[in-house]
Amino acid sequence: EVQLVQSGAEVKKAGESLNISCQASGYTFNDFWIGWVRQMPGKGLECMGVIYPGDSDTRYTPSLLGQVTISADRSINTAYFQWDSLTASDTAIYYCVRLRTKGGSYLDVFDLWGQGTMVTVSS
Amino acid sequence: DIQLTQSPSSLSASLGDRVTMTCRASQSISSYLSWYQQRPGKAPNLLIFAASSLQSGVSSRFSGSGSATDFNLTISSLQPEDFAIYYCQQTYSNPISFGQGTRLEIK
Repeated sequence: EVQLVQSGAEVKKAGESLNISCQASGYTFNDFWIGWVRQMPGKGLECMGVIYPGDSDTRYTPSLLGQVTISADRSINTAYFQWDSLTASDTAIYYCVRLRTKGGSYLDVFDLWGQGTMVTVSS
Repeated sequence: DIQLTQSPSSLSASLGDRVTMTCRASQSISSYLSWYQQRPGKAPNLLIFAASSLQSGVSSRFSGSGSATDFNLTISSLQPEDFAIYYCQQTYSNPISFGQGTRLEIK
């Protein structure tokens, strides 16, 4: 089955670091861009950035540059979203997504979604 | 950055109705517009890409139209599972952006 399975919910304090994961299965991980989408409580969707596991090419939403790190480990078909120092405004559900076109552009639609990881940050 | 504005913000309709919702871009995005459905407590699901192409496995009750700055999503003959929030998305330029959503509710 083609799927993305994300790590479980996290409760953290402001200033702490965090790494959440997304494991792909059922397709060739290296061939498709993987992205991360944030949904703050009761709000809409925001694309945070994307990575091409085949060569680790990474593109961030410009406003987020330097605040988070996206990475991938090809050996275990897993992508990561990392914070060095969380703030309360990072409280949200984070979805990993697969971009639709094999070997395509990083500007592409999201045809496969993980189940979401809820991150709660207390101040 | 490209802004997407969806209208209406919310919409009430009855089972069997045909509904249309709109997404307007702040500049021309050609046909780089897609639509997603998000049911409560679930991840979004891709419905339409390239303005009018139906994603595999999606009901043909969903259709998309438009180009440049103005786009529509139409749902024919509403079913119970269609009551959800719908988001448009542009993939014309970085950053990829979404509209604020249209909530479709049962009348």
